[in-house]
Amino acid sequence: QITLKESGPTLVKPTQTLTLTCTFSGFSLSTSGVAVGWIRQPPGKALEWLALVYWDGDKRYRPSLKSRLTIIKDTSKNQVVLTMTNMDPVDTATYYCAHKHSAAGVFDYWGQGTLVTVSS
Amino acid sequence: QSVLTQPPSMSGAPGQRVTISCTGSSSNIGAGFDVHWYQQLPETAPKLLIYGNNNRPSGVPDRFSGSKSGTSASLAISGLQGEDEADYYCQSYDNSLSGYVFGTGTKVTVL
Repeated sequence: QITLKESGPTLVKPTQTLTLTCTFSGFSLSTSGVAVGWIRQPPGKALEWLALVYWDGDKRYRPSLKSRLTIIKDTSKNQVVLTMTNMDPVDTATYYCAHKHSAAGVFDYWGQGTLVTVSS
Repeated sequence: QSVLTQPPSMSGAPGQRVTISCTGSSSNIGAGFDVHWYQQLPETAPKLLIYGNNNRPSGVPDRFSGSKSGTSASLAISGLQGEDEADYYCQSYDNSLSGYVFGTGTKVTVL
């Protein structure tokens, strides 16, 4: 079955760069149509899509955050890494990675999420 | 900020029917993009509830149903149960933003 798990720091300081890793199993990111995305959720607020990487290396970013985000895939390790530069307290959120269904724009499997707090 | 608008909260007694709306625009739902719904129980990750406007993944009770019309979509929960108390989010794609968009979320309370 498909599983995903996020890992990374729980606390970062303002202006620092956040690096999160999504380690997955049950599918291959080299299979046509497959994609993995990152979504975040500030405490008590709604979900917000951040970035997506496709099996062919194509990448999509949330326009308002595009200058701060980088998503890369490591197919051999079954991992997707998200970096976000110049972190600010408003970036405090639970960060989720999710598998995107190959034929539809739906995130059908999600990781458990990791809470990242931005504070000095 | 979300481009899909949902009512902040809804409630109902056990056994009742609750319908949650998701209002978009001509660049997302109205452009023909599918709507999907997620259920988020307290302190857990979102779980796919409805995909492709009105399809249920395996294991999701048929008490949950979805529909779409024009620039809006709806999630109906019939025969409300205590375990349905959760936050619900709609999601689609927006071609103006060139990205995926989520709704503002609706908290459902079972009275």
